[in-house]
Amino acid sequence: LAKTTQPISMDSYEGQEVNITCSHNNIATNDYITWYQQFPSQGPRFIIQGYKTKVTNEVASLFIPADRKSSTLSLPRVSLSDTAVYYCLVKGSARQLTFGSGTQLTVLP
Amino acid sequence: DAGVIQSPRHEVTEMGQEVTLRCKPISGHNSLFWYRQTMMRGLELLIYFNNNVPIDDSGMPEDRFSAKMPNASFSTLKIQPSEPRDSAVYFCASNLGDSSYEQYFGPGTRLTVT
Repeated sequence: LAKTTQPISMDSYEGQEVNITCSHNNIATNDYITWYQQFPSQGPRFIIQGYKTKVTNEVASLFIPADRKSSTLSLPRVSLSDTAVYYCLVKGSARQLTFGSGTQLTVLP
Repeated sequence: DAGVIQSPRHEVTEMGQEVTLRCKPISGHNSLFWYRQTMMRGLELLIYFNNNVPIDDSGMPEDRFSAKMPNASFSTLKIQPSEPRDSAVYFCASNLGDSSYEQYFGPGTRLTVT
């Protein structure tokens, strides 16, 4: 399995930009890096995915360096409703899909 | 579309009993995934199907677990016999089956084995 590392938790205030990084070695060279959001008692929800450099959609940006050993999810201006657990998802070089351990983001008023 | 449908939402059973979890993927989706989530081990992929064929079952814990997908609109995950350590939330997810990992998750089944 690919080994991933995410911070266990992060706190932020409303309106701030939040960056969550996932370190992932030994991942497949030709597959997406994907991020999910999960609220309590719900299934994970897709946020964004990318292969390299930078991807942006209406809710987040994803930065992936050239070596693809990490990725950073950027939430531009967080609100209280962004309080959730955020997971990276990668595919290992042996082709297994692996979720990160998750980062609990708490947005404070 | 109603999204991915899972049943039951909650299941409480005694050790040794057979448990069957059910999933209906989103219509038109070609891939289906079964995950297990626990506090200790996080989200783990158990098995996934593409066009009803199991592609990777390396995450299935042991022979007590089995999964089937008899058609494009239905899948089951069976545990026989169940053990307390199987207690977890089991999620089913589906997607179009292309190279994307944009998966749509169901609400999950919370399984408690006593």
